[in-house]
Formats: sequence, structure tokens, C-alpha cells
Amino acid sequence: AQKITQTQPGMFVQEKEAVTLDCTYDTSDPSYGLFWYKQPSSGEMIFLIYQGSYDQQNATEGRYSLNFQKARKSANLVISASQLGDSAMYFCAMRYTGNQFYFGTGTSLTVIP
Amino acid sequence: SAVISQKPSRDICQRGTSLTIQCQVDSQVTMMFWYRQQPGQSLTLIATANQGSEATYESGFVIDKFPISRPNLTFSTLTVSNMSPEDSSIYLCSVGDRGLQNIQYFGAGTRLSVL
Repeated sequence: AQKITQTQPGMFVQEKEAVTLDCTYDTSDPSYGLFWYKQPSSGEMIFLIYQGSYDQQNATEGRYSLNFQKARKSANLVISASQLGDSAMYFCAMRYTGNQFYFGTGTSLTVIP
Repeated sequence: SAVISQKPSRDICQRGTSLTIQCQVDSQVTMMFWYRQQPGQSLTLIATANQGSEATYESGFVIDKFPISRPNLTFSTLTVSNMSPEDSSIYLCSVGDRGLQNIQYFGAGTRLSVL
């Protein structure tokens, strides 16, 4: 069975500091995709970053980077230079065969001024 | 990325009534998805809506409770039928990107409260 685990229910970070949100996954499929989404209090799900299982390099998108360690089955999100607007829920998700997405339980990030 | 319009954005409904949520995409897409997010929980896939065929429901979700329509490649509706307070959730539609990454993009969600 496919599974995504986010072990940090809540995280705090000082403004302008970097923060790492943890995500581990479990799948026997060789081909899969890993995603991070941000959900502000408004409820919308905002796509942040993608990492394919065959990608050799870690994905980066602006202040977001994905620390992909395939052997350890981890796909941690790193947010650099945190801003107050980064306060939100963050969900890790995995796409596996058949375009099905499986979401983790989320991490609530609070940026402290 | 696709632009997805979902409405209503929120509603308060009485138990026993039904609510239809609409999802409009600015481009033609093959697959549309409907999710439920109960308070404080993660997203759970309700069903996959394919144009021209019956929706495919996940375990625990049935067509009588969550009928879905997909009349064309840019539009879908989800109805929450015979509502109870346990149906109070955020309902989100999403579409799959056509690219190799198959990113799912989401609408803004419908925040439903059932009294």
C-alpha cells in the first residue's frame, strides 16, 4: 500500500530563517511523483514543487527546494528566508500508477515576526 | 497551469438538503477529481470524473450520496445529498496537468457547514 507520512503536526520558524518540513513515503512502484502543496487558511491548495522518482537532481522553485533522498524514501521541503505569508498548512503528496494522489496529514507552519 | 473556478466558495446548509458544487476549468482536461477535507484532516479522494463515462468512486464513497456529473471536458459538478453535520468539510475539485509531471491543480474549495 502507498503511504505518505508527515511527522511534524506543527512547526515554528523565525521570519527570514530557513525551515525544513519532513515527508517520508512508502511505495513499491518504481515510477512515482512527489509534490508539496500549501494550504492557507482560505482553504485553497497551492502547488509548490514537484520531484519525479527518476530525477537525478533536487527540485527547486524560488525559495522552495525539495531534499529528495530516494534510498531513505524522504522528500523534505526546505523553505528559505521565511516570510509571514508562508504561515499555512503544508501537505506532501505522492502520485503513483494511475494518476492517483495520496496526501499526508500535513504540517502547520507558523512564521514568527 | 489550468485556472479552476469553483463555486460556491462556502455555504451553510440544513441537514437533509442537498448542495451542488460546480467546477469550471479554462481548458479541456481529461480527468477531474473531487476531494473532501474534513476539519483538521488531510484530503481524501471522493471520485474521479471522466467525460463521457460514469465517475469512479473510492472506497467509502457512493454515487447515491455524492452524484457527479461531467457533461464536457471543462466542467463538472459534485452534489452532496441528504446532508448531515458529518458532511461539514471543504470540498475541492482538481484537474490533472497534461504534462509528464501530472501535477494536480486545485480550485479554491467549497467550505460547507451543515447544521
